[in-house]
Order: sequence, then structure tokens, then C-alpha cells
Amino acid sequence: QKEVEQNSGPLSVPEGAIASLNCTYSDRVSQSFFWYRQYSGKSPELIMSIYSNGDKEDGRFTAQLNKASQYVSLLIRDSQPSDSATYLCAVLNYGGSQGNLIFGKGTKLSVKP
Amino acid sequence: SAVISQKPSRDICQRGTSLTIQCQVDSQVTMMFWYRQQPGQSLTLIATANQGSEATYESGFVIDKFPISRPNLTFSTLTVSNMSPEDSSIYLCSVVSRSGANVLTFGAGSRLTVL
Repeated sequence: QKEVEQNSGPLSVPEGAIASLNCTYSDRVSQSFFWYRQYSGKSPELIMSIYSNGDKEDGRFTAQLNKASQYVSLLIRDSQPSDSATYLCAVLNYGGSQGNLIFGKGTKLSVKP
Repeated sequence: SAVISQKPSRDICQRGTSLTIQCQVDSQVTMMFWYRQQPGQSLTLIATANQGSEATYESGFVIDKFPISRPNLTFSTLTVSNMSPEDSSIYLCSVVSRSGANVLTFGAGSRLTVL
């Protein structure tokens, strides 16, 4: 059974701090990794995708991938109250169809003003 | 990204009944995906809807329970049949985004409550 694990949280950080969200996955051959943000009552929206080991930066967001450790993380710098949401880690199901993603249960982030 | 319209947005259903969820996309797409998000659980892929062929179901999901139609390249329906309270969930339609391979765009979801 392929799995994606996340700490459910809630993770609480003060405004302006760095929020660090972590994810591990079980399928060693996975190649594509995604972070989605889901506000309460809304559908998930893509934050970042990462395919190679190392860091990928986009504005205040940095995704980090370590395939040897089967570990993906998302750093949010200068956290804002508007970043308060559930963050879902997703891994492309290797051998499955395009769009077949395995999601973690999500980490709930709360940014306090 | 594609714009996806889903309806109904929410519904309350009686045990034993069936409900059909509709998904309309503003552009032609080869594959459409139906996901389920149960309370406190992760999103789980139910099936991939292909135009012109039978849907492909993931392990644990069967056509009799979740029949899917895909009459054209912009529209799909998912039916939840013979519902029980365990089917209370959010059902999401999604398509691969034009912004990148394997990046999904989701519809707003259909929140079903089965009494």
C-alpha cells in the first residue's frame, strides 16, 4: 500500500515566522511531488511542484525534496494569517495514470497575528 | 488553468438512494478524475474517466457503486449508488492543469451527507 504521511498538526506559528511542513512517502520510485493548499470548505489548489532533489523556491514558498530519505518539505517564509489552511502533500502514483496522485491527510497550519 | 463547475455543491440524501454529480470543464480534456475526501481523511482517487471508453477504477471502488459517464471531452458524471452514511464525503472532479504535467486542478466539490 503506497502511503504519504504528514503530521496532522495543528501547526501554529506567529505572523512573520517560518512555517515548516513535512511529508514522507513510501514508494521509493516516486518521481513527482506536489504541495496543495486547502482552505476550509474549499477545494485544493496547487502551491508547488518539485521533481528533482534539492530546493525549489517560488516567492515565500520553498519546496525541498530528498529522494534518498523519501522526504518532501514545504517552507513558508514570513508567514501571514492568510496562509492559515490545510497543506496537502501529494505524490504521483508511479505506474498509475496521469493525474493519479496519492495524498497525505494534510497538516493544518494556523498563523497567529 | 481550466475552470471546473460541479453540481450540486452540497446535498443531503436518504440511505438507499442514489445521487449523480455533474462536472463541466471549460475546455476539452482527455481525462477527468473523480476524488473523494472523507472527513479527516486524505483525498482518494475513485476513478479516471476517459472519453469514449470505460472508466478506470482504483482498488476498493467498483462500477456498480460509482458508475461514471463521460459523453464528451468537457463533461462527466459520477453517481453514488445505494448510499449509506459511510458515503458522506466531499466528491471532487479534477483535470490535469494546462500549467504542467500531472498538476491537477479541482472543482469546488460536492459535499454529500447521507442520513
